[in-house]
Amino acid sequence: QVQLQESGPGLVKPSETLSLTCTVSGGSISYYYWSWIRQPPGKALEWIGHVYYSGTTGYNPSLQSRVTLSADTSKNEISLKLSSVTAADTAVYYCARDREAYQLLLAFDIWGQGTTVTVSS
Amino acid sequence: QSALTQPASVSGSPGQSITLSCTGTSSDVGYYNFVSWYQHHPGKAPKLIIYEVTKRPSGVSNRFSGSKSGNTASLTISGLLAEDEGDYYCCARAGSNTGVFGGGTKLTVL
Repeated sequence: QVQLQESGPGLVKPSETLSLTCTVSGGSISYYYWSWIRQPPGKALEWIGHVYYSGTTGYNPSLQSRVTLSADTSKNEISLKLSSVTAADTAVYYCARDREAYQLLLAFDIWGQGTTVTVSS
Repeated sequence: QSALTQPASVSGSPGQSITLSCTGTSSDVGYYNFVSWYQHHPGKAPKLIIYEVTKRPSGVSNRFSGSKSGNTASLTISGLLAEDEGDYYCCARAGSNTGVFGGGTKLTVL
């Protein structure tokens, strides 16, 4: 079955760029929408944005100026870059797949285990 | 866009039915039939339990059901079990290309 694994630095300095990768195994990233979602400590889930396998993206307006999502079909990976980070970006970051091919349902049926990113000097 | 509004906490006794609400606006919950619900236990990935307002993924108990009226979506859990305790989040399409989560509801089974 399809599995997702987030990876990247667990510690990022303020003002730097946070970079995470979501590696998909057991299936192809093609034809699906992939989202990044985060949860700061003690707070709610927050939708960061999505990327279609073709590269089309959509972003949370509150993060749009700092976020870049991309998809690499050759590596079967999804990537997140978040620039100019502050302590408020400290969170568990998840990648997730929208359940039906070709459709943006915002119905995430497969999730990675999540990776904790701390922003601190 | 603002987060969808969910009650911070709800409680119920085993066997009871409870309903969680998720209130948005005419631009998200009220406009699109793309509302999903997730059950989240600490340290685990969220689990999809309802999508497209009323649809239930295979493997999810039929004790979970979803509905929508105007700008408010609802998740009903019938025959409450101890294992249903946890955090519940709604999520909705908030534009042609964006989404938004609710603030989450902590469900306690007494």
